[in-house]
Amino acid sequence: QSALTQPASVSGSPRQSITISCTGSRSDVGGYNYVSWYQQHPGEAPKLMIYDVNKRPSGVSNRFSGSKSGDTASLTISGLQAEDEADYYCCSYAGNIAFYVFGTGTKVTVL
Amino acid sequence: QVTLKESGPALVKPTQTLTLTCTFSGFSLSTNKMRVSWIRQPPGKALEWLARIDWDDDKFYNTSLKTRLTISKDTSKNQVVLTMTNMDPVDTATYYCARMKSGGEGFDYWGQGTLVTVSS
Repeated sequence: QSALTQPASVSGSPRQSITISCTGSRSDVGGYNYVSWYQQHPGEAPKLMIYDVNKRPSGVSNRFSGSKSGDTASLTISGLQAEDEADYYCCSYAGNIAFYVFGTGTKVTVL
Repeated sequence: QVTLKESGPALVKPTQTLTLTCTFSGFSLSTNKMRVSWIRQPPGKALEWLARIDWDDDKFYNTSLKTRLTISKDTSKNQVVLTMTNMDPVDTATYYCARMKSGGEGFDYWGQGTLVTVSS
């Protein structure tokens, strides 16, 4: 099972909105509404930001939103803040053979 | 308050077997629908899911690593154990255990991770 494809880097200015894409296939992203997104600051464990494509865990800012169209999922960060600068990973359930596949990761830079 | 913590050797030699323990609190793995996974991350690289164990003792493995992995649980001790055989330098990574969200697909609580280096 290949990793999901994410852009290596995305940048934006404070208060802008950015979108990170996560492209898979019918076997993972396109086949299930089970995409999750994680934020990881250097030296820290990942943090769940979005699950089941567009659900936010309690305590996660509503500036973070998720969506999916076909085989591509997206994470949008609105009102970009300095603290949003981190690596972001998507993950998709991929059925009873591959189970879970992570994305290649995207480094978000706040200019 | 949910917490998880990984423990195990920081250094293993090639061909050796790695045993990692995840000790958790704030939930029970005997609770219906509860699940715990292991995930690793080589230095500077992406995350990779390894294995999952469920409340009913069902076990699931990364297809590419299945022959080398064994996951088990000790509910009375609130622990999940992962063993990986025939370690290789490419297995050098930070290993995380993570609880899976009840009623959804997401890893909602993570341990701090433990760095395992494979070197002779």
